[in-house]
Amino acid sequence: GNSVTQMEGPVTLSEEAFLTINCTYTATGYPSLFWYVQYPGEGLQLLLKATKADDKGSNKGFEATYRKETTSFHLEKGSVQVSDSAVYFCALSGPNAGNNRKLIWGLGTSLAVNP
Amino acid sequence: NAGVTQTPKFQVLKTGQSMTLQCAQDMNHEYMSWYRQDPGMGLRLIHYSVGAGITDQGEVPNGYNVSRSTTEDFPLRLLSAAPSQTSVYFCASRGVSYEQYFGPGTRLTVT
Repeated sequence: GNSVTQMEGPVTLSEEAFLTINCTYTATGYPSLFWYVQYPGEGLQLLLKATKADDKGSNKGFEATYRKETTSFHLEKGSVQVSDSAVYFCALSGPNAGNNRKLIWGLGTSLAVNP
Repeated sequence: NAGVTQTPKFQVLKTGQSMTLQCAQDMNHEYMSWYRQDPGMGLRLIHYSVGAGITDQGEVPNGYNVSRSTTEDFPLRLLSAAPSQTSVYFCASRGVSYEQYFGPGTRLTVT
């Protein structure tokens, strides 16, 4: 079945460091891929998405490229800030058509950015 | 436009009590879902609905009931609370591009 694997955290970085959070997936067909962010005490928010191979999603300085050849969707940011401290979730939407395309979630990667 | 709202924000129950977690959305989304979030286990789907009058089970439906009488509302009922149901509960609705919009969560403790 479909699955998402994220790198385990926690990840601790200094402000202005480069961030990579790895995400790989297993799916049949052509899923859409998502990154969500959860700030402390809040619900999840969509950070970025890509709907087909080679698409690049970007938002708030974060980027991720849908790589079908490596089944990956790694999240990157060139210079992190303290305010980026949060838990990041990778997710995919199954390739089957129709309203029952449930999201498949990774377990989340906690990021802490120190000043 | 409030998005997805959930009440209450916090709740403490005793084992065996029942309660309803409320969820509402004002985006006219057909698809809504309930998740629970536990440390180290990510998000697990409890129940979902593809429209008013239609609900289905997710990964962990036992001990929970849902109904969907309107497009806007999707309440989650705990029938007889157990300590294993201590968790953070999120309601979400899904937009046309399959992105999900989450409520702020309900933190439930069952003693």
